[in-house]
Amino acid sequence: AQSVAQPEDQVNVAEGNPLTVKCTYSVSGNPYLFWYVQYPNRGLQFLLKYITGDNLVKGSYGFEAEFNKSQTSFHLKKPSALVSDSALYFCAVRDSGYSTLTFGKGTMLLVSP
Amino acid sequence: DARVTQTPRHKVTEMGQEVTMRCQPILGHNTVFWYRQTMMQGLELLAYFRNRAPLDDSGMPKDRFSAEMPDATLATLKIQPSEPRDSAVYFCASGAEWTEAFFGQGTRLTVV
Repeated sequence: AQSVAQPEDQVNVAEGNPLTVKCTYSVSGNPYLFWYVQYPNRGLQFLLKYITGDNLVKGSYGFEAEFNKSQTSFHLKKPSALVSDSALYFCAVRDSGYSTLTFGKGTMLLVSP
Repeated sequence: DARVTQTPRHKVTEMGQEVTMRCQPILGHNTVFWYRQTMMQGLELLAYFRNRAPLDDSGMPKDRFSAEMPDATLATLKIQPSEPRDSAVYFCASGAEWTEAFFGQGTRLTVV
């Protein structure tokens, strides 16, 4: 079975500082990895994905994520946080042999002015 | 701008009533997901369809929930009878095979 772990319920960072939101995964085949963001009372918005190729992937709004196969991680990063980045972030995985999309529990990112 | 459309956006109903939620996936997408979001459980997968065929509904309470895709432009999720513990936000998402899914705005269900 596939699974995703987001070890932090909340991440606090000051505006202008770099941010990292952690994600680890478990799959039996090759992972397809995704990050989504959810603002209050809204649906989930797709940010970025790793399917194959470069381990560092870039996405919307200046976000990027690094795929690390040996550590089975896919951490979300941004060099300089904005207050408007404050939201709930979800990591998700699809197993190449089982295409259901499984989500982590989410990490609340709070960026203070 | 293609998007997943869910109706209704909000639903308040009395316990025991039937609830039907509808979803129009993005044209050309062959996979459809139904998720339920609550504070306690986070995002739970209820059902997964590929090419309109149900592939995974292991997360769905079978006694009261049912999910169908009568055609490629419509997915439905029904609860009969509804219970207060079903109160949640229900999301539909669609996507192409092996890639990201796009979410609708959700249906906020309140069962009183």
